[in-house]
Order: sequence, then C-alpha cells, then structure tokens
Amino acid sequence: KQEVTQIPAALSVPEGENLVLNCSFTDSAIYNLQWFRQDPGKGLTSLLLIQSSQREQTSGRLNASLDKSSGRSTLYIAASQPGDSATYLCAVELSGYALNFGKGTSLLVTP
Amino acid sequence: DAGVIQSPRHEVTEMGQEVTLRCKPISGHDYLFWYRQTMMRGLELLIYFNNNVPIDDSGMPEDRFSAKMPNASFSTLKIQPSEPRDSAVYFCASSSVVSGSLSYNEQFFGPGTRLTVL
Repeated sequence: KQEVTQIPAALSVPEGENLVLNCSFTDSAIYNLQWFRQDPGKGLTSLLLIQSSQREQTSGRLNASLDKSSGRSTLYIAASQPGDSATYLCAVELSGYALNFGKGTSLLVTP
Repeated sequence: DAGVIQSPRHEVTEMGQEVTLRCKPISGHDYLFWYRQTMMRGLELLIYFNNNVPIDDSGMPEDRFSAKMPNASFSTLKIQPSEPRDSAVYFCASSSVVSGSLSYNEQFFGPGTRLTVL
C-alpha cells in the first residue's frame, strides 16, 4: 500500500521567509503528484500537478519538484505571506486515477 | 463553472438514521470521487466512478455505505444506518483525464459535507 508522509506536520514562520514543505512516498511507480491547499472548514484547492515525466512545476510564488527515484516531492513557497496560512496536502496518483493523500503540513505565517 | 457542488454542507443526525450526501460534478468531467476526511486517518478514497460506472469501491468501509451515480451530473453517498464513528467531512471531487503522451487527471474538490452522528 502506498504510504505518503509529509514533514513537518506543522510549521510557523514570519512573513517574508522562503520555506519548503516535504512529501515522501513509498512506491516510486506513481503516475502523477498533486499539491493542494486546504483552508479551515473549506474544501481542497489544487495548487500544482506534476506529471510523472516532469521534474517540477511553477505557479507564481510556488514551485513543486518531483524525484520519483527517491520517492520525494517538495513544495517551495517564496516570500511567504499571512494569506498563505493553510494546510498543504500532497497526493500521489496511483493507477486508475485515485489519489493517495498525506496528512498535510499546517502552515502559519505570522505578520 | 460553479465548481463541484455538495449538499448539505452540514448534517447532524442521530445514530441509526439514514444519511444521504449529494454531489454535482463539474460539467464535462467523467470521473467522480468520494473521499472522507478525519483527524486520525486524513483523507481516504471511498469510491470512484468513470462515466457513471463504479470502478473501485474497495475504500467503502462497510456495507452500510453505498454510492450511486444515476447520471453524469449527480451522485449520492448513502449511509444506512449511521454510526457515531461515521462522523467526518465527506468530499466529492471530479476530473477529466487529459490524454496525450502521458495522460493525467487534475481533481477538483467540492466544499465538503461535515457529518456529525450523535
């Protein structure tokens, strides 16, 4: 069974800092990897999707990388803002398009 | 597009009652997924459909859970009878596979239904 682990579970940083969120998975035979953001009491918002053939994707201040051979992905957030405070979830796509989620990193960016 | 729509947003019921959760996927999407989120177990896939046909229901915890998709624009998740341990947030997501040299699907989630079973 594919295990997805996210470290750290919680993170607090001052505004303006660059930060890295980590995601690891046990089975490198994934199809794709997706990063989501979840605000308290809300649904999930897709941030970035990295196809298995890609090494990274960028959107604004966000950059996600994927290393299938080592079973790792990182989400880099540049110049963090209080509005970035949320839980960030990593999900790997198994065969058949189902997603297997990590438990998330809860991020707090303080002014 | 309005995105994935779920109803109700909150449901409080008593143990033993039947609960029906509803989902309207994004128009044109041919995959629909039901997930459950709890503090202990995180997000777990319950079942998913392709073109209204159930593909994998191995995540459905017990026979008390059932899901249907009578048409491309509507799906239900039913719990009968409900139990306190079913309390969770239930999410519906939809996607459309983008085909190419390597196909992929980007899933879009609804706001969820927070279920509390007393």
